[in-house]
Amino acid sequence: GAVVSQHPSWVICKSGTSVKIECRSLDFQATTMFWYRQFPKQSLMLMATSNEGSKATYEQGVEKDKFLINHASLTLSTLTVTSAHPEDSSFYICSARVKGSSSYEQYFGPGTRLTVT
Amino acid sequence: QKEVEQNSGPLSVPEGAIASLNCTYSDRGSQSFFWYRQYSGKSPELIMSIYSNGDKEDGRFTAQLNKASQYVSLLIRDSQPSDSATYLCASGAGSYQLTFGKGTKLSVIP
Repeated sequence: GAVVSQHPSWVICKSGTSVKIECRSLDFQATTMFWYRQFPKQSLMLMATSNEGSKATYEQGVEKDKFLINHASLTLSTLTVTSAHPEDSSFYICSARVKGSSSYEQYFGPGTRLTVT
Repeated sequence: QKEVEQNSGPLSVPEGAIASLNCTYSDRGSQSFFWYRQYSGKSPELIMSIYSNGDKEDGRFTAQLNKASQYVSLLIRDSQPSDSATYLCASGAGSYQLTFGKGTKLSVIP
């Protein structure tokens, strides 16, 4: 149980274009989903927290107009990287909390590797 | 500022030995603690959670929590080469966000 998928698993795009990454909870409903970014040999960096039906909360230093997050349902959150630049190349990982759970446990998706050329 | 500190390693242990990974946290309000394993190029995988002082065992893994010392550890018995990975310690408090350490890289030498 508690499986989270991400699509695509990897993507290459040209500078200036936009890329959408989907995060789905497959066998549970997720009230809260989190988006992280991880650069090589560095730890996870929380970008934003999204709750179903409300606006995402972005961490300090993360541009909300560049990284658009939509959490339209209890099983789907999307991250759109707008006007991507090479410095946005990174490993983007989502995680989800089970709806109704009092636990802090987060279940991670497999990640999406973005390369901007 | 909530912080979780881990020794970055690498920690090298021979196959069959016990690997000991340590973590300290700054937020006394933290209630939940987790160990995630992350293989190179992959996303983190939850391997242990612990909520109360003492030890919690699951197979070859034992998590230990000491809230007075703000200290969490993970012991891996009978270490295997497949245990070679980066281990992330995380604490949770307040808004259901987790604070992650930078991870300890473990290498199990055959």
